[in-house]
Amino acid sequence: QVQLQESGPGLVKPSETLSLSCAVSGFSISTGYYWGWIRQPPGKGLEWIGSIYHSGITYFNPSLKSRVTLSVDTSKNQFSLKLYSVTAADTAVYYCARHDSTYDYTDIRTDYLDSWGQGILVTVSS
Amino acid sequence: QSVLTQPPSASGTPGQRITISCSGSSSNIGSNYVYWYQQLPGTAPKLLIYENNQRPSGVPDRFSGSKSGTSASLAIGGLRSEDEADYYCAAWDDSLSGHYVFGTGTKVIVL
Repeated sequence: QVQLQESGPGLVKPSETLSLSCAVSGFSISTGYYWGWIRQPPGKGLEWIGSIYHSGITYFNPSLKSRVTLSVDTSKNQFSLKLYSVTAADTAVYYCARHDSTYDYTDIRTDYLDSWGQGILVTVSS
Repeated sequence: QSVLTQPPSASGTPGQRITISCSGSSSNIGSNYVYWYQQLPGTAPKLLIYENNQRPSGVPDRFSGSKSGTSASLAIGGLRSEDEADYYCAAWDDSLSGHYVFGTGTKVIVL
């Protein structure tokens, strides 16, 4: 059974870079699937940040694309998020998740996040 | 900001059936599958419905999904106290090189 665990600093200063990693166990990330990041500001809804395939193919939320880098380290079976020039608005619980993205027999795209990490709260404050 | 619109809340008494709507557009719900996630208080979201109306293993058949045009619905039958949670719809959006969008979220309250 796949398990995901986020790690990284819980406090980041404004204008600096938020860096998080997600360790995957029970499944090899180089086998397939995309691997995604989602965030949730305190008391608010979910926002998808982006997803990366083990080969490096990426998709991003258009509103965050200019500030986000995603990467995969197959040797460590983990993937990472960097969010640049953070502000207080980036304060949120950040989740990593396995993103199943395929096309069904009718050629309709299917995308869902079927396994999630427990989340990590990152606060942006000086 | 979310491009899928849901009512902020929905409520019912134990045993009742409630429905939650999710309204989108031709570039997301209108052309792709809809997914539903359940987020219990203080926990990570969990996939509840995939491909409009399919339940992952372990999800009770009290939960059902449907889609029509650019809208979708989640129905919870035989409402139970443990169903009190936030529910989010989601879909792939084909615009702007493609991206995943979540709904605004609906809090289900069991009276």
